[in-house]
Amino acid sequence: GAVVSQHPSWVICKSGTSVKIECRSLDFQATTMFWYRQFPKQSLMLMATSNEGSKATYEQGVEKDKFLINHASLTLSTLTVTSAHPEDSSFYICSARPPGPDEQYFGPGTRLTVT
Amino acid sequence: GENVEQHPSTLSVQEGDSAVIKCTYSDSASNYFPWYKQELGKRPQLIIDIRSNVGEKKDQRIAVTLNKTAKHFSLHITETQPEDSAVYFCAARGEAGTALIFGKGTTLSVSS
Repeated sequence: GAVVSQHPSWVICKSGTSVKIECRSLDFQATTMFWYRQFPKQSLMLMATSNEGSKATYEQGVEKDKFLINHASLTLSTLTVTSAHPEDSSFYICSARPPGPDEQYFGPGTRLTVT
Repeated sequence: GENVEQHPSTLSVQEGDSAVIKCTYSDSASNYFPWYKQELGKRPQLIIDIRSNVGEKKDQRIAVTLNKTAKHFSLHITETQPEDSAVYFCAARGEAGTALIFGKGTTLSVSS
């Protein structure tokens, strides 16, 4: 149990375009989901915390107008990278936590390359 | 907010030796401390975790110790094998509902 999926697994887009990444909890309801970004050879950096039905909470330094997060249901959160630039190229990983247990379950990640 | 420091950044050992990775955290309210193994291009995989009401936990060749007073926790891998080679991350979480905050990672290389 406790499976989190992400789609797409990789995407290449041109500078200035927008890209949407989906994160789904397949076998549990997640009131809270988290979005992380990981640059090559670096750690996972928390971007935002997404709560179902409310606005996301962004970490300091993360532009909320550039990284749009929607958590419309208990099993789906989306991250839209707007007006993407080459510096947004990264590995984006979502994570979800079911009510109760401490463990956070991670999606397989989405490799974004902006050309 | 929480800040997690991890050392060393790289660690090379011979097969069969032990490896120790150490982390410190800043938020005294943190109560959950997992360790992850990540292979290139893959999601982090939980290998062991410990909660604040426990001082030590062991699972076969892997053990974690926690010192809440000093706010540090460590990962111990015994009898290392080449397949243990990967990047290891420690993490900590404070209040319920908040996200895990990660250390910078340790690249472990086990040579045979």
